[in-house]
Amino acid sequence: RKEVEQDPGPFNVPEGATVAFNCTYSNSASQSFFWYRQDCRKEPKLLMSVYSSGNEDGRFTAQLNRASQYISLLIRDSKLSDSATYLCVVNRYNFNKFYFGSGTKLNVKP
Amino acid sequence: EAGVTQFPSHSVIEKGQTVTLRCDPISGHDNLYWYRRVMGKEIKFLLHFVKESKQDESGMPNNRFLAERTGGTYSTLKVQPAELEDSGVYFCASSQPSDPSSYNEQFFGPGTRLTVL
Repeated sequence: RKEVEQDPGPFNVPEGATVAFNCTYSNSASQSFFWYRQDCRKEPKLLMSVYSSGNEDGRFTAQLNRASQYISLLIRDSKLSDSATYLCVVNRYNFNKFYFGSGTKLNVKP
Repeated sequence: EAGVTQFPSHSVIEKGQTVTLRCDPISGHDNLYWYRRVMGKEIKFLLHFVKESKQDESGMPNNRFLAERTGGTYSTLKVQPAELEDSGVYFCASSQPSDPSSYNEQFFGPGTRLTVL
């Protein structure tokens, strides 16, 4: 079983739409959770960390459900510039290796 | 502040040849990680240095891969001899020293795209 599972998509949405991505992780001892964004042929870049209480950064909201081992990312009012692959990342111990999902591709259309 | 840099950006070699990839982490980052993405798969961990010491090398595929970080600054990853299945994008990442006050974000370099023919 994979450490982190994501729907690969693609999600094709119009500008202004709200879109949600989900991710599940297999190890209940995991401690840190992140969403990274990766543009085509570029490196992954941190979008936001995910906290148990949920957190919001502008149009982006991340949620963590430890009981269900489930992480979500909600993007409101999608922009063309949001088109990218979104990587769900899990870390068992701080400063230890990251486990990546395969990524969910988002295409925002005009 | 300079980010993580990697060299070369691309490398095309023939099966059986040797390739050495280099990573320069962000200055002051004790933690350095190597990851690899092969076609159609997720990014996977290879190994983790804390300063010059190998903290975790559980992801190294086999003994054809050798990583070093002499002096605790830049790191090299050598593949010798290269096989077809070694093709992929090799990412390096670094993070701050491991203490409770530090933030756990890993900063990634642009990657080296390795093609083995």
